Amino acid sequence: GENVEQHPSTLSVQEGDSAVIKCTYSDSASNYFPWYKQELGKRPQLIIDIRSNVGEKKDQRIAVTLNKTAKHFSLHITETQPEDSAVYFCAASLQGAQKLVFGQGTRLTINP
Amino acid sequence: ETGVTQTPRHLVMGMTNKKSLKCEQHLGHNAMYWYKQSAKKPLELMFVYNFKEQTENNSVPSRFSPECPNSSHLFLHLHTLQPEDSALYLCASSQETTRVYEQYFGPGTRLTVT
Repeated sequence: GENVEQHPSTLSVQEGDSAVIKCTYSDSASNYFPWYKQELGKRPQLIIDIRSNVGEKKDQRIAVTLNKTAKHFSLHITETQPEDSAVYFCAASLQGAQKLVFGQGTRLTINP
Repeated sequence: ETGVTQTPRHLVMGMTNKKSLKCEQHLGHNAMYWYKQSAKKPLELMFVYNFKEQTENNSVPSRFSPECPNSSHLFLHLHTLQPEDSALYLCASSQETTRVYEQYFGPGTRLTVT
């Protein structure tokens, strides 16, 4: 089955700097890769996703890149702000399949 | 936030107790999920229901028993739990299981087994 590894487990950056979180997956058939953000005490929420037919997707300050050959994808947050502090989870799935396989999560802290 | 609700939000139970977690979604979705979130571990899928039918049981111990009476409600019945079952239990829903990526999570039930 699919296995997703996420790094780093914790990340601390200065406000205004960029943050990058990386994930690798094992099943080359996976073709859907969402990122969820979970603020302290709150539910996970989808922030961006990418399908395997594209290499990059942007939404304002966040972007996701996908390298299918290497089987890894990354979340990029630019111009970080205090409200970006949260735990971020990557996941992988075969579109149409019944389940998402999540990474271990990255606790991102933005220092003012 | 009323899309997916869960009750109770916090639960403390002994190993011999029987309790139930409830999830309700107001989004008109047809698929519902139970996840377990433990400290320093990935979100673990437990069960999937699609149109009230269980379609996935991710090797969950029988002390966890799900019930889905309709597409809007999902229960997780708990009995003779172990301390290692202490975790945040999250419910989620999506339009249907073929669109698994559009999942909306509830706030979770923080379960402590003593």
